[in-house]
Amino acid sequence: TQLLEQSPQFLSIQEGENLTVYCNSSSVFSSLQWYRQEPGEGPVLLVTVVTGGEVKKLKRLTFQFGDARKDSSLHITAAQPGDTGLYLCAGYSGAGSYQLTFGKGTKLSVIP
Amino acid sequence: NAGVTQTPKFRVLKTGQSMTLLCAQDMNHEYMYWYRQDPGMGLRLIHYSVGEGTTAKGEVPDGYNVSRLKKQNFLLGLESAAPSQTSVYFCASSQRGANYGYTFGSGTRLTVV
Repeated sequence: TQLLEQSPQFLSIQEGENLTVYCNSSSVFSSLQWYRQEPGEGPVLLVTVVTGGEVKKLKRLTFQFGDARKDSSLHITAAQPGDTGLYLCAGYSGAGSYQLTFGKGTKLSVIP
Repeated sequence: NAGVTQTPKFRVLKTGQSMTLLCAQDMNHEYMYWYRQDPGMGLRLIHYSVGEGTTAKGEVPDGYNVSRLKKQNFLLGLESAAPSQTSVYFCASSQRGANYGYTFGSGTRLTVV
């Protein structure tokens, strides 16, 4: 069974601070996705990374896929209250797999 | 821009009652999924479908049944609800498979008393 461990589980920071959250596994994934979930809503896809070592930027969010495709990180620069939410990573194993493996998430609170 | 629509949004059931959760998508997606989300447990896959008329079991299928008679609809049934099925249920769809990302509905909060 493939597992994705996310850390930290909870993170509370002040507006304007930088932060990094991590998604780690002992298994190799073909690609990794990051989602953000706001209270009372379903997760929303932010990005998919597919190549080992790949870095993608989405405004103040930077996503990196590890060289060995076993881990990923999400860095947020100058966090804003609107970044508050649950961040989920999800791994895709490859051809023949019909589903994603989800981590349990990092709950981020950005205090104004 | 409806995307994935789940009904109802909230429901309270008594133990032993039955109900059906409806998921409808208007994006012509082939793949559809039912997840439950519980504190400390994350998202767990209940059942999924890779096309009209097909269904398959996920990680936690016991106590649930599903049907996909039409491509745009994926129904989740609870035949005899139990308190352990108290959860938030999410439906998701994907155009060509998990690798292309999911579009989620906004969820159904179910309480079984």
